Amino acid sequence: DAGVTQSPTHLIKTRGQQVTLRCSPISGHKSVSWYQQVLGQGPQFIFQYYEKEERGRGNFPDRFSARQFPNYSSELNVNALLLGDSALYLCASSRSPGQGANEQFFGPGTRLTVL
Amino acid sequence: SQKIEQNSEALNIQEGKTATLTCNYTNYSPAYLQWYRQDPGRGPVFLLLIRENEKEKRKERLKVTFDTTLKQSLFHITASQPADSATYLCALEVVDKIIFGKGTRLHILP
Repeated sequence: DAGVTQSPTHLIKTRGQQVTLRCSPISGHKSVSWYQQVLGQGPQFIFQYYEKEERGRGNFPDRFSARQFPNYSSELNVNALLLGDSALYLCASSRSPGQGANEQFFGPGTRLTVL
Repeated sequence: SQKIEQNSEALNIQEGKTATLTCNYTNYSPAYLQWYRQDPGRGPVFLLLIRENEKEKRKERLKVTFDTTLKQSLFHITASQPADSATYLCALEVVDKIIFGKGTRLHILP
């Protein structure tokens, strides 16, 4: 079975631009979570979606938004990019929304560089 | 606010010895605690989950303990190998989100 896939793998943007990152979960997984990982830090939780509804939100500004589609794939949008948004963006899927009780499967990430 | 700390940024262990990594947390009583492995440039890979009513869990050469009184989890790799070199992350669920520690970079020296 295919694992979690993310696209694109790398992205370079300039300040003020907008970006959309995409994630396809493992087949049968209905929960998708997004994380931001800055070099030297652990992943920081951004959003969790389950059955197309937002189940959790981390401490990120409103410039960050996400959605989940009927096929359970997901998009993360970031508007008005800042230099500090440069990071590895990770998507993780699991069968159900209880993140603590369920194994999360992570994708390879999208490396975003903001110039 | 909730805080999770992995007390070593980096740890060097001789091949064949047991590596022990520590995860401490404050201001919360999680029902679950997870450990992940992350290699450079890749996403984390799930290793073990331990519940608050479990004192210890094992998987092959891995062992995790969970002391809810000390608010601490220990992660052990026995008979360590150079291939075990990676960053190890602990994570716990706080209400509706997962909080990760910064990770410990483990180097197994041949």
